[in-house]
Order: sequence, then C-alpha cells, then structure tokens
Amino acid sequence: QVQLKESAPGLVKPSETLSLTCTVSGDSISDYHWSWIRQPPGKGLQWIGYIYRTGVTTYNPSLKSRVTMSVDTSKNQFSLQLSSVTAADTAVYYCARPRLVGNTSGAFNVWGLGTMVTVSS
Amino acid sequence: QSALTQPPSASGPPGQSVTISCTGTSSDVGAYNYVSWYQQYPGKAPRLMIYEVSKRPSGVPDRFSGSKSGNTASLTVSGLQVDDEADYYCNSYAGYNNVVFGGGTKLTVL
Repeated sequence: QVQLKESAPGLVKPSETLSLTCTVSGDSISDYHWSWIRQPPGKGLQWIGYIYRTGVTTYNPSLKSRVTMSVDTSKNQFSLQLSSVTAADTAVYYCARPRLVGNTSGAFNVWGLGTMVTVSS
Repeated sequence: QSALTQPPSASGPPGQSVTISCTGTSSDVGAYNYVSWYQQYPGKAPRLMIYEVSKRPSGVPDRFSGSKSGNTASLTVSGLQVDDEADYYCNSYAGYNNVVFGGGTKLTVL
C-alpha cells in the first residue's frame, strides 16, 4: 500500500526558502502527477502544484513566481521549494497522489500525514 | 483562479440529510465533470469521498452522493451519523492541469 511522508524543517525565517521533501513508499514514482497542497491554520486547502516523473510541472498561478518542484526518481522522492516566505506561508503542507496514473483532475486519494511549517523569526 | 465558494457551515440532526454546495465558474466547475469532495477531521489529512462529480471510491458509504448543475456542485450526506461531523472541501479541475479548492464547510450533526 502506497504511503507518503513529508519531511521538513518545521521553522523557517521570513524571506528565506522553505524546502520540503515527500518520500513515496510502497510504490514507485512511476506515471503519477504528484502534488503539494497546503492548509494554513484554521483555513482551507490550497493546491500548490503538480510534478510528473519527467520533471514537468504545473504551479498554482498565485504561487508560481515563488514555487519550484523537483523529483528524484532514484530516491522515490519529490520536493517543494517556496522562496521569500512570509507568515502567510505558515501552514500544514501535504503531499498527495491522484487516484489514477496520468490524472490531473484533482481527485487525490493518497495523502501524506502533513507537516506543519511555521514562518517566524 | 479564485477559490470555489462553499457555505462556512451546515448542520442537521442524525438520520436527516444535508446538502453542501460548491460554486465555481464556467472555467472550472461548469466546464468540467471533475469535481471532487473531501472529508477532513481535525488534525487529519483529507479523505477523498467523491470524484468526477458523483463517483464514490471504494469504502465510501453510499450515504454520500454528489451532483452538479451548471457552475454549482453539491455533496449530499443522507442518514446523517455522528461521525459525519467534519470539514468538507470541494475542488475542481480548472484547465491546463490546474486545480482549485473551495473554502470548506464545517458540518455539524446536531
């Protein structure tokens, strides 16, 4: 059974770059479009973007200028970098997988547990 | 892309039905039959309950159903149970591999 696990520093200083990694176990990165989704405390979900195993990405237009995603198929991992962070980027960050190979419709049936990232000096 | 619009709260007594709406635009909800619904308990990751407007993943009770009319999708929970009390989120495909979520609805079982 596929499992996702996010790893992150937990605390990031304002104006710095947030870096997260999602490790996939129980399956290979294969042909899915892997995603990052975040949720500020007490607020709703926000889709951040997709990355495919070839490195092709799609980012949320509202975050596009600050987001970089990458994939390491040899380690079965994909990563998120968010630059110039502010307090507004404080959130639980989830990695997620769509229910079908090649699917980008937003139906995510596998989620990591989430990791809380706080932006504070 | 703007977030989809959901009512902040919904409620109903056990055994009754409740419907949660999710309103988008002709560029997302109205354009594609790719609306999903998620259930989220406090401190937990979301769980997919409905995909492609009205399809249920295996393991989701048939008390949960989805529909769509124009730019508005709906999630109906029938035969409300205490453990249905949670936050519910919709999302929609918005073209060019983009996805947009709703703001969430807190469902209370009275």
